[in-house]
Amino acid sequence: KNQVEQSPQSLIILEGKNCTLQCNYTVSPFSNLRWYKQDTGRGPVSLTIMTFSENTKSNGRYTATLDADTKQSSLHITASQLSDSASYICVVSGGSYIPTFGRGTSLIVHP
Amino acid sequence: KAGVTQTPRYLIKTRGQQVTLSCSPISGHRSVSWYQQTPGQGLQFLFEYFSETQRNKGNFPGRFSGRQFSNSRSEMNVSTLELGDSALYLCASSLAEHGYEQYFGPGTRLTVT
Repeated sequence: KNQVEQSPQSLIILEGKNCTLQCNYTVSPFSNLRWYKQDTGRGPVSLTIMTFSENTKSNGRYTATLDADTKQSSLHITASQLSDSASYICVVSGGSYIPTFGRGTSLIVHP
Repeated sequence: KAGVTQTPRYLIKTRGQQVTLSCSPISGHRSVSWYQQTPGQGLQFLFEYFSETQRNKGNFPGRFSGRQFSNSRSEMNVSTLELGDSALYLCASSLAEHGYEQYFGPGTRLTVT
């Protein structure tokens, strides 16, 4: 069964600090992996998208890495801001392009 | 360019009723996907439509159905509503089938009583 596991479930950090969120998956075959940011009460917004051949992708202060061999991905947030407080969701699509979603990491950034 | 719009934004229905939700994709986008988001299950894929044809379907009962019109607008229907259908229903549009980059709408919050 295709699964996507994210850790930690929740995280609290101080403004200006860095943090790293983890995503492990069992989806096979692999098509692509996406990281989304979802603010409370709003639809998800795409941060990064990676295919099998990509191992790093950046979007401003957000940097995602992918290790297709170990089926792990991470999302690193640099110099966190209050507006980074949100849920971060990892999504993996397989050969059929049906996406499997992780449960998300809830990030709270305190001033 | 206007984003993805969903109507209505909020809806309250009674068990046993049916409901229709609407999604207008970004202009030029031909693919529309639907998702259900609940606190218990998180985000789950319902189905994807491209050029008025269902291309993919998630693991949901037949009470959940959808369609896409020639202008790419899409509707999803849930019949015989159950309490467990209470959720945020999100649609996302993309340029192509199996959209590499999807843009989500704000969602429709459905409450079944």
